[in-house]
Amino acid sequence: KNQVEQSPQSLIILEGKNCTLQCNYTVSPFSNLRWYKQDTGRGPVSLTIMTFSENTKSNGRYTATLDADTKQSSLHITASQLSDSASYICCAGTASKLTFGTGTRLQVTL
Amino acid sequence: GAVVSQHPSWVICKSGTSVKIECRSLDFQATTMFWYRQFPKQSLMLMATSNEGSKATYEQGVEKDKFLINHASLTLSTLTVTSAHPEDSSFYICSAPRGAGGIRGNSYEQYFGPGTRLTVT
Repeated sequence: KNQVEQSPQSLIILEGKNCTLQCNYTVSPFSNLRWYKQDTGRGPVSLTIMTFSENTKSNGRYTATLDADTKQSSLHITASQLSDSASYICCAGTASKLTFGTGTRLQVTL
Repeated sequence: GAVVSQHPSWVICKSGTSVKIECRSLDFQATTMFWYRQFPKQSLMLMATSNEGSKATYEQGVEKDKFLINHASLTLSTLTVTSAHPEDSSFYICSAPRGAGGIRGNSYEQYFGPGTRLTVT
């Protein structure tokens, strides 16, 4: 059964601090891994897309890494802002079939 | 970026009635659209793949006679929840892929709609 596990489930950090979210996946077939940001009651918004041959991808203050050998990915957020408060969802699979994790709920506070 | 809209954003209906949810790609054409369901604190679960001009492809365990999908044009897909029951209450989200090679390319971008909150009483 395809699975995507994310940790931690929730995280509280102070504004300006950095944080790293983890994603472990057991998905087959696999060709790409994606990170999304989802605000409460809204649809997800894409942050990064990595194919299996890519190790890292950046989008502003967001940097994702991928180790296809260990089936692990991380999302690093630099200099967090209050607007970063949201759920961050990792998903893995192929172009036409993605398996989503349950997300990490991030809260950035003053 | 590309925009995908959904209507309505929320709906409350009585048990036994049907509800139609629309998903539109506003500034690009989408021959394929995806429908997801998300329960509180759970992951997005793919329900079906909507294909313009042909039948939708449903995921295992999703009743095609209960969740009717019609991809009427290159910019519109609809999901009708028939004879809704309280257990159908959920957040329904559609998405449309856009990018080189469409869903056959690994790097296509998937644009999600804002979601529709369905509550069945």
